[in-house]
Amino acid sequence: AQSVAQPEDQVNVAEGNPLTVKCTYSVSGNPYLFWYVQYPNRGLQFLLKYITGDNLVKGSYGFEAEFNKSQTSFHLKKPSALVSDSALYFCAVREEGSYIPTFGRGTSLIVHP
Amino acid sequence: NAGVTQTPKFQVLKTGQSMTLQCAQDMNHEYMSWYRQDPGMGLRLIHYSVGAGITDQGEVPNGYNVSRSTTEDFPLRLLSAAPSQTSVYFCASHLSRSSYNEQFFGPGTRLTVL
Repeated sequence: AQSVAQPEDQVNVAEGNPLTVKCTYSVSGNPYLFWYVQYPNRGLQFLLKYITGDNLVKGSYGFEAEFNKSQTSFHLKKPSALVSDSALYFCAVREEGSYIPTFGRGTSLIVHP
Repeated sequence: NAGVTQTPKFQVLKTGQSMTLQCAQDMNHEYMSWYRQDPGMGLRLIHYSVGAGITDQGEVPNGYNVSRSTTEDFPLRLLSAAPSQTSVYFCASHLSRSSYNEQFFGPGTRLTVL
């Protein structure tokens, strides 16, 4: 069975500071990991994914995520936060052979000017 | 491409009424899914389809019905609306059974049941 956890309901960061949004997962086989962003009153948009290979994955809008197999984590990062990054972020996991991903509960990122 | 489209954007129903939420995609994606989003609950899967004529239940299927007669369309039917079905509904699609394909989401339908 696949599951994912986002331990923080909300992350606050000042503009210009680095940000991290945490995600941990559990799967039986190989994981495929995804980050999505949801701006107010919009649908989810794909940011980036890990399939295999390099543990550091780069995505849209300057975001990146680091896959750590030993810690079963896939934290989302950005070196310098913007106010416009304020949104709801979802981590999702699919194990190999699974039709549909499992989503975390979401983390609200608030970037203060 | 329009991507994934959903109609209506907003809907208010009375308890016991029925309605259909429409979802369409023009990307020739095999897989389509319906989710509901509630505060603090994240996204919960209602029903999904792996191709025309094939559907299956997700985590919270009760009170909802789906069909998939074409690759493009995946309507969600509320049989007898209840206040507990007040939520934001998202339709999503992805390309194939490969587990590494990302999903594309529609803009959502905000449903209120009085």
